[in-house]
Amino acid sequence: GAVVSQHPSRVICKSGTSVKIECRSLDFQATTMFWYRQFPKQSLMLMATSNEGSKATYEQGVEKDKFLINHASLTLSTLTVTSAHPEDSSFYICSAREGNNNSPLHFGNGTRLTVT
Amino acid sequence: GENVEQHPSTLSVQEGDSAVIKCTYSDSASNYFPWYKQELGKRPQLIIDIRSNVGEKKDQRIAVTLNKTAKHFSLHITETQPEDSAVYFCAASRVTGGGNKLTFGTGTQLKVEL
Repeated sequence: GAVVSQHPSRVICKSGTSVKIECRSLDFQATTMFWYRQFPKQSLMLMATSNEGSKATYEQGVEKDKFLINHASLTLSTLTVTSAHPEDSSFYICSAREGNNNSPLHFGNGTRLTVT
Repeated sequence: GENVEQHPSTLSVQEGDSAVIKCTYSDSASNYFPWYKQELGKRPQLIIDIRSNVGEKKDQRIAVTLNKTAKHFSLHITETQPEDSAVYFCAASRVTGGGNKLTFGTGTQLKVEL
């Protein structure tokens, strides 16, 4: 089945630094990828939709200048958390769909970000 | 936008019993309803999904029912096993030309006790 790879799985950074998270579709091309954030014992909240070759679409309340998304190829989307603060500590998960809009979403392994 | 509510938030059952998790959605145009299982610290994994053109779907011990009129759908797990213990999320989306954004429920922590 479709595989979505996410890297790194864990990252600890100091407050004020930036962190880049990569999401790759390993055996399929994805024109659209989705970035979610999940706080402990809570649901997955969609942050933004990453579109290959164009600007990402951000959900209401998500700062686009803080969470930079780049979808430069059909197999790679990156999320950069800029000037990270402790409140940005969370579990970030990307997802992608193999095929058309009727295909199920497949999730990456997630990235546990801890900002100290 | 879509709003998905999920109940219960926690559910404990004895091994071998059945478990039922219920979700409601607000957007009558939603037409795709997947269920994901997430173990602690791991990715959500799709376990079953249903589209609005059917009312029920079954895969071994797992079944999902959909009532479009009432805008609710349910997950049924029969003969539960300890390895079924996890957090289960329902989701809803509307397939559109611009993509297929999933809105998730709040999750149900299922614990299957020996």
